[in-house]
Amino acid sequence: AQSVTQLGSHVSVSEGALVLLRCNYSSSVPPYLFWYVQYPNQGLQLLLKYTSAATLVKGINGFEAEFKKSETSFHLTKPSAHMSDAAEYFCAVTLAGNQGGKLIFGQGTELSVKP
Amino acid sequence: GAGVSQSPSNKVTEKGKDVELRCDPISGHTALYWYRQSLGQGLEFLIYFQGNSAPDKSGLPSDRFSAERTGGSVSTLTIQRTQQEDSAVYLCASSSRTSGERDTQYFGPGTRLTVL
Repeated sequence: AQSVTQLGSHVSVSEGALVLLRCNYSSSVPPYLFWYVQYPNQGLQLLLKYTSAATLVKGINGFEAEFKKSETSFHLTKPSAHMSDAAEYFCAVTLAGNQGGKLIFGQGTELSVKP
Repeated sequence: GAGVSQSPSNKVTEKGKDVELRCDPISGHTALYWYRQSLGQGLEFLIYFQGNSAPDKSGLPSDRFSAERTGGSVSTLTIQRTQQEDSAVYLCASSSRTSGERDTQYFGPGTRLTVL
């Protein structure tokens, strides 16, 4: 069975500082991995995805993530935080080629950005 | 349409009443998913449709929950005899299931259900 663990339910950074949100996964077969962002009272917006191509994935809004099989990790980073990045971030996994493609989500990390 | 739409955006109901939540996926998307987001349980998968069929219903929490999809488009999630623990945000997502995009799910804004 697959699972996702996000370390830290809440992360606070200063504007301009590095953002690092951690995600570790468990999967017995090659996974597809996703990061979604959720702003208050809105649905989920896809930031980026890994589907077995390049291990360094670039997404929207300056975010990127690196798939590290040896560490079973898919951490999300952004070099310089903006106030507008304050939101909740979810890491998710699904099985590569899974007929259903249902997503298994981590518990989420709330990012706060201080001026 | 431009994105996944859901209605109503908010629903307040009394314990024991039935509710229907609607999802209108992106035009042409054959796959449709329902998820539930609650404080205690996080984001949980409920059901998956491919066309009008539901090959994976494994996430439905009880037989009070059911869903259907008609015409390969609109889906309705029905909760009968609502309970307070059903209070949550219900999210719908769709995906094209075509090569290159088959694993990307696009989410609607959700329906916030409150059971009093």
